[in-house]
Amino acid sequence: NAGVTQTPKFQVLKTGQSMTLQCAQDMNHNSMYWYRQDPGMGLRLIYYSASEGTTDKGEVPNGYNVSRLNKREFSLRLESAAPSQTSVYFCASRVSGGTFTGELFFGEGSRLTVL
Amino acid sequence: GENVEQHPSTLSVQEGDSAVIKCTYSDSASNYFPWYKQELGKRPQLIIDIRSNVGEKKDQRIAVTLNKTAKHFSLHITETQPEDSAVYFCAAFNTKTSYDKVIFGPGTSLSVIP
Repeated sequence: NAGVTQTPKFQVLKTGQSMTLQCAQDMNHNSMYWYRQDPGMGLRLIYYSASEGTTDKGEVPNGYNVSRLNKREFSLRLESAAPSQTSVYFCASRVSGGTFTGELFFGEGSRLTVL
Repeated sequence: GENVEQHPSTLSVQEGDSAVIKCTYSDSASNYFPWYKQELGKRPQLIIDIRSNVGEKKDQRIAVTLNKTAKHFSLHITETQPEDSAVYFCAAFNTKTSYDKVIFGPGTSLSVIP
């Protein structure tokens, strides 16, 4: 049981390059989230997916796209990277609905630097 | 949508003293209030949570209190230790729906001075 797995853990991009951050969870969770965390800052929600086949914007969606490929996987794509997107990206998932507590489980994070 | 405010942004206490961090939320439909601890370079991890049908919950040195009327909840850490130094985040959301955004407060950086 690996929990939430993110790849890659580190990435350096040049301005204008594109890349995809991958996230997979093996806990059969229905909701998945992407957050960014700038140095010394809090967790800001980029996009989330309430269930397979649905995605919604969070607080800071500009410059990003997401895909909920199936129940396990939720990817985040930067089409044209900018230095302002230098950050640590966290994927998270939770069970939602019913009587479950709703605890969010986080991946280890992906550190992205855009030069 | 939900808006979560958190105070203070930084907190410094002497080892052995107590620390209190407060959060306020805006959406009365929120029914779940977790607290996450993030150590430097690590992922956030749940340390305690409370549901809307409970006023207080304790787990050893940490406790959370909830005031639904005033829409605020607080994290209390007693007998602080250096290993409590970290950033703490609160959140408030509705677990009954999967369509609820999970928004975190801006965080509190706690430093415990030995």
